[in-house]
Order: sequence, then structure tokens, then C-alpha cells
Amino acid sequence: DTAVSQTPKYLVTQMGNDKSIKCEQNLGHDTMYWYKQDSKKFLKIMFSYNNKELIINETVPNRFSPKSPDKAHLNLHINSLELGDSAVYFCASSQGWVTFTMIQFFGPGTRLTVL
Amino acid sequence: DAKTTQPTSMDCAEGRAANLPCNHSTISGNEYVYWYRQIHSQGPQYIIHGLKNNETNEMASLIITEDRKSSTLILPHATLRDTAVYYCIVRVWPGNQFYFGTGTSLTVIP
Repeated sequence: DTAVSQTPKYLVTQMGNDKSIKCEQNLGHDTMYWYKQDSKKFLKIMFSYNNKELIINETVPNRFSPKSPDKAHLNLHINSLELGDSAVYFCASSQGWVTFTMIQFFGPGTRLTVL
Repeated sequence: DAKTTQPTSMDCAEGRAANLPCNHSTISGNEYVYWYRQIHSQGPQYIIHGLKNNETNEMASLIITEDRKSSTLILPHATLRDTAVYYCIVRVWPGNQFYFGTGTSLTVIP
């Protein structure tokens, strides 16, 4: 069974479109994250949710809006897509928010290409 | 944002131990060191973490210096499947942000 899954795996779209990426975890974790990995392979955290509440927003444009319908899901909606949004987006989850030790489990990634 | 520095790349012969260094000279007393790896654009995979004592699990060993300013990840018998980018991360406390640096690209050579 996949612990953290993402759909779709690949997403190709035109500039200006709106798209969503879905993430689900079956680990029973309370905290979920979105990361962006750009063409230079630099992995940067975007958002973190704990028990469906936003706790980290790392200076991400307003065009990006995460939605957490329940603890097991964290979706990422992107409005008015731009060329610079092309990247691989990773979802991750961890057991809790305020713990001294924390292991994050990552999904397989969604490769977004904006034309 | 990243609080660690690592060599850009390393090679290791198959079957030999791979020793990957990491400097984290500004680490605070309650900040853990984590190691992850990313194999060919897959999602990062957790390897090991530690605070001040040396740690070992089925994947690797983690050696942390006494002053905690540096650490070494040891893969005891590297295989071709260990070819990946290895990230050394210091978790920023309080909070749970992971700031990934550029990592070390390890190539295991047959």
C-alpha cells in the first residue's frame, strides 16, 4: 500500500489555466506538507497543515491555495499558471507538528509543465 | 535557509563504505540532524536522524561529532541502488520546517 500518494503524476497545461494536484496519506498522520522542486533540483517547502489548519506558508504567491478537507488529504490548487510554476511538486506527511523528532514521508511527486 | 553544507558530489566503489560529511556549525542544542536521499527525482526517502549520540539502523550509521558541528552518514556497503542525492538537514526549532540544501550527489561505481 502506498503511504503517500499524489495525482496526477504528470500535468501539462497552458499558461493562465487553473489546475489542482491531490495528495492522500494513509499513515494516520496529523501533519501534511507541500514542497516544490525546481529545475535546479532545489527542494523548498511551500505549506504545512496540521489537523487541517494551515501552519506554514513560506512566502508562496496567492495563486497557490492549499485545501485540506480532512487530515488524510491535502490538495494544492494553482490559479493562473505561469511558466515559472513548472516544477516537481511533492507532498509529504509526518506524525505530528510539535515533536522533537519528526520523520516526513514523501509522495512520488507531480511533474507540472506549463507551456 | 539551509543550515548545512555538504560536498556537491562524491564517488564510491560498489561494496565499499560511503562516508558522506555534513557541516552544521550553527546547530542549536535541541536541533536534530536528519538525513534523506532522493533517487532520480523520486520523493525524498528518510534514512536516519540523531541528536548527539551515534545512531545506526538497517540503512546506515550516523556519526555526530562531540561538539555537534558536523556529522557523517555512513553507508557500510554501498550498492548501485544507493546512487542518489543525499541531503543533510537540520530541523529548525521551534516548528517543523525542513530546509533542504543542495545535497551531495553520490555515485556508486561498479
